[in-house]
Amino acid sequence: GAGVSQSPSNKVTEKGKDVELRCDPISGHTALYWYRQSLGQGLEFLIYFQGNSAPDKSGLPSDRFSAERTGGSVSTLTIQRTQQEDSAVYLCASSLAGGQGTDTQYFGPGTRLTVL
Amino acid sequence: SQQGEEDPQALSIQEGENATMNCSYKTSINNLQWYRQNSGRGLVHLILIRSNEREKHSGRLRVTLDTSKKSSSLLITASRAADTASYFCATDRSGGSNYKLTFGKGTLLTVNP
Repeated sequence: GAGVSQSPSNKVTEKGKDVELRCDPISGHTALYWYRQSLGQGLEFLIYFQGNSAPDKSGLPSDRFSAERTGGSVSTLTIQRTQQEDSAVYLCASSLAGGQGTDTQYFGPGTRLTVL
Repeated sequence: SQQGEEDPQALSIQEGENATMNCSYKTSINNLQWYRQNSGRGLVHLILIRSNEREKHSGRLRVTLDTSKKSSSLLITASRAADTASYFCATDRSGGSNYKLTFGKGTLLTVNP
């Protein structure tokens, strides 16, 4: 079946603009994760959704970042008033159950965000 | 701060040789996973080793875990050009939110044909 998809694949924006990044998880996966990967860096956890539970937003770097997951499926990561340091690849992952470190996370291809 | 740190940062070998990458971490863990990333895009899960395991095999991959040294190694045997990628270890912290994986900065492996 289809894997995790993300759109757009690339986004170039001007400093100060808002951007929305979309993630479509694998059908039936209850857990969804957002990560950020800056140039030459490892992946940084941003936010975690599990079913109807309140999301774990502990990784969001500032209040300019927010995310929602509608209907337990599609998720949107919004960055308001983008800054140049927001430039990174934003990766989404989903897993079948979540809540377990043994639960394999399946990653999408990512959105490369460039803030000019 | 990053939980895992891989070394070397970059490794270049010839096709057919073995490649060994190491990962160290700072806190107690439940599990350690290795992922591969091609061209800076999506990650692919390779193998998971639990904290009570010492060694695990999957095809040409061999992972070891030494919890006393807080380190792991990934061995790729008989490497192929298609193995060229970045390799990351990821840990979930014991006693923490174990869905929250912490990734290292990765090892860039280049396999020359």
